[in-house]
Amino acid sequence: AQSVAQPEDQVKVAEGNPLTVKCTYSVSGNPYLFWYVQYPNRGLQFLLKYITGDNLVKGSYGFEAEFNKSQTSFHLKKPSALVSDSALYFCAVRAVPGRRALTFGSGTRLQVQP
Amino acid sequence: EAGVVQSPRYKIIEKKQPVAFWCNPISGHNTLYWYLQNLGQGPELLIRYENEEAVDDSQLPKDRFSAERLKGVDSTLKIQPAELGDSAVYLCASSPSGSYNEQFFGPGTRLTVL
Repeated sequence: AQSVAQPEDQVKVAEGNPLTVKCTYSVSGNPYLFWYVQYPNRGLQFLLKYITGDNLVKGSYGFEAEFNKSQTSFHLKKPSALVSDSALYFCAVRAVPGRRALTFGSGTRLQVQP
Repeated sequence: EAGVVQSPRYKIIEKKQPVAFWCNPISGHNTLYWYLQNLGQGPELLIRYENEEAVDDSQLPKDRFSAERLKGVDSTLKIQPAELGDSAVYLCASSPSGSYNEQFFGPGTRLTVL
């Protein structure tokens, strides 16, 4: 079985400050890890993924994430938050080998305050 | 490039009525997914298609839910009869062949069962 935990329902940061959205996972086998963002009344948009290789992954809109195998974590980060980054963020995992479908966390609502 | 198209965007029905959702994936994407997203939760897989074959439907409640993907392109998800607990957002996603490709999501259909 595979699972994802996003321990914070909500994260608040001031505009211009760095942000971190936390994610830990559990899989049997090697993980493929993903971050998606969801804006109101819109589908999930892909931000970035970790498949293999460099533990620091860079994605869309200035976001990056660091894969830490020993801590089974894949935290999302951005050096300087924008008000427009306010949205719902989902971490997802699939095991390799294993089901192709993603297992999602429950989401973290990011609020960037002006 | 057009994204994943879903219709309708919103549907309100009374319990015990049937309902159907339609999805048109991104052109060339062989893999199609249907997910269910309850309020405040991450998406959960209902069914995955590889071309026209359903290869992962273990989470689909087959007593009332059915799906088809004729000709390996568009897909329809049906509920008959709908129950109050079926109120949720139904998301369709597609991806190219290949186990590490990210999924592209449609905007979803918000179903309300009264």
